[in-house]
Amino acid sequence: SQQGEEDPQALSIQEGENATMNCSYKTSINNLQWYRQNSGRGLVHLILIRSNEREKHSGRLRVTLDTSKKSSSLLITASRAADTASYFCATDLNSGYALNFGKGTSLLVTP
Amino acid sequence: DTGVSQDPRHKITKRGQNVTFRCDPISEHNRLYWYRQTLGQGPEFLTYFQNEAQLEKSRLLSDRFSAERPKGSFSTLEIQRTEQGDSAMYLCASSLGGTGTDYGYTFGSGTRLTVV
Repeated sequence: SQQGEEDPQALSIQEGENATMNCSYKTSINNLQWYRQNSGRGLVHLILIRSNEREKHSGRLRVTLDTSKKSSSLLITASRAADTASYFCATDLNSGYALNFGKGTSLLVTP
Repeated sequence: DTGVSQDPRHKITKRGQNVTFRCDPISEHNRLYWYRQTLGQGPEFLTYFQNEAQLEKSRLLSDRFSAERPKGSFSTLEIQRTEQGDSAMYLCASSLGGTGTDYGYTFGSGTRLTVV
């Protein structure tokens, strides 16, 4: 079963706008990670946020984590057409040694 | 190292045939993972190796599936007596060790299996 659930399932915006994706999970975690997947390719690691962190930045990406609400958000600022991809959040499986991925948010950025 | 390599990229096989996929992880990474991904879904965990030891298997990994990682280097995933439901993208990833999931994964481009 997939612990993380992304919302929305699909998002369409124009270049220059910000894109926000949310992830909710069910059990306590050690960390939460976000990945990007371009169509038909493997996933690319974007950012990792630990359970004792509340916010993290990487370039145009900002991730927040609220462990009390068991939720995280990924903000992409000033989006570009190249940001078009599916975005997945991932949390620890119960064993703690592998990641459990959600179903993803499909982001379309139009010029 | 240029990343995680998977071979082949695409495989079309007839139902009932056996198939084997190979994954070459980043050499410094002692952890290796196999995932399966179907259209519109996120990757589903199949199995995990720490060096050459297979430490965890998902219940998705039926007895028709077997994975090995001899000498803690490359890994193979074999599916015996393939079924149409096995059609999916099979993804391999590797990571550094550490406590739990402290490090991000590096994924390969995947092997797309089509069972006809």
